[in-house]
Amino acid sequence: ETAVFQTPNYHVTQVGNEVSFNCKQTLGHDTMYWYKQDSKKLLKIMFSYNNKQLIVNETVPRRFSPQSSDKAHLNLRIKSVEPEDSAVYLCASSSWTGGEDTQYFGPGTRLLVL
Amino acid sequence: GDQVEQSPSALSLHEGTGSALRCNFTTTMRAVQWFQQNSRGSLINLFYLASGTKENGRLKSTFNSKESYSTLHIRDAQLEDSGTYFCAAESVATGGNNKLTFGQGTVLSVIP
Repeated sequence: ETAVFQTPNYHVTQVGNEVSFNCKQTLGHDTMYWYKQDSKKLLKIMFSYNNKQLIVNETVPRRFSPQSSDKAHLNLRIKSVEPEDSAVYLCASSSWTGGEDTQYFGPGTRLLVL
Repeated sequence: GDQVEQSPSALSLHEGTGSALRCNFTTTMRAVQWFQQNSRGSLINLFYLASGTKENGRLKSTFNSKESYSTLHIRDAQLEDSGTYFCAAESVATGGNNKLTFGQGTVLSVIP
């Protein structure tokens, strides 16, 4: 099965803790992304990586850091979580094929910060 | 920055009827994608358009880059069409940066 996989599905933690979310794509794509979906369902880009290189870094707090070991993996680490980090984090991947650059999304990781 | 304005924010349809969702863009967009987010939160790809119109079953989407809008038409709505629909666009200005700017979403409820 080829798709975008994320772990964990759900994570509950306390303020100040460190968390790490994993994303793997088996689609053979060369670009991967992290998006944040807040409680109002608004989706915003956080980072994108192309062939292990950071190409987009939106205005995201420094406690967020993406980590890529190869083009199929893009993890997200949050150093010291805060209550406003509670959200759904969605990973996506894409590649230029036939003039299109469709992004495919994983199921998301739901983070709750107490 | 790039803005994507999506309407309506909510829509109720009786089974068998249809309607249209619309996204207006404040800057020139290179392409648009439409997604359905189901009850489990998964974003399901519906369309990718760089121009023109595409149709898939009961869904049809149009993207007009010059007039800065895109539409998604749903006909013969079924219960399983319920969910939140998002448009998302890539700005021409971003060059090799393929980040998507999302609309606010349309919550569709299909009523028996």
